[in-house]
Amino acid sequence: GNSVTQMEGPVTLSEEAFLTINCTYTATGYPSLFWYVQYPGEGLQLLLKATKADDKGSNKGFEATYRKETTSFHLEKGSVQVSDSAVYFCALRKAGANSKLTFGKGITLSVRP
Amino acid sequence: DAGVIQSPRHEVTEMGQEVTLRCKPISGHDYLFWYRQTMMRGLELLIYFNNNVPIDDSGMPEDRFSAKMPNASFSTLKIQPSEPRDSAVYFCASSATAGEQFFGPGTRLTVL
Repeated sequence: GNSVTQMEGPVTLSEEAFLTINCTYTATGYPSLFWYVQYPGEGLQLLLKATKADDKGSNKGFEATYRKETTSFHLEKGSVQVSDSAVYFCALRKAGANSKLTFGKGITLSVRP
Repeated sequence: DAGVIQSPRHEVTEMGQEVTLRCKPISGHDYLFWYRQTMMRGLELLIYFNNNVPIDDSGMPEDRFSAKMPNASFSTLKIQPSEPRDSAVYFCASSATAGEQFFGPGTRLTVL
């Protein structure tokens, strides 16, 4: 079946540090890939997505590239801010019209001033 | 659009009581999802509906949990009887076919 594996957390960084959060997936066919972010006390919201191999999703300075050869969708940001402190979830949706998502466990990012 | 609306935002109840959580999806969305989030288990999909019909309820923990969607603008998740281990944040999300899922703010349930 489909699955998403995220690196273990939590992650603590200083402001302006470089961020990488690893995500790998297992799926048949060509799934769509997503990163969702959950700020404290809120629901999840879509951060970025990629729907086919080699696509790069980007938003708010975050980027992730759909790598089919390594089945990965790592999240990166060149310079994190305190306001980026949140929980980050990697997810996939298998090819087809169904909207069901398979989420990873999530990782907590804390950014120190 | 107001987004996905959930009520109540917080619920504190005693073990054995019935709890009903409510969700109003975004107008025009044909998928509705119920999730549960805990520190121990992370984010779990409980059940989802397409055009008001339950499609997959394999994530519903046990018979104490039930969900309904009587129309396109309303869904409920009921726990009867509630137990302390049901304490969690419950999220509702909706989407259009193959589109982005939009999450509500969640209901924080505490069962004493």
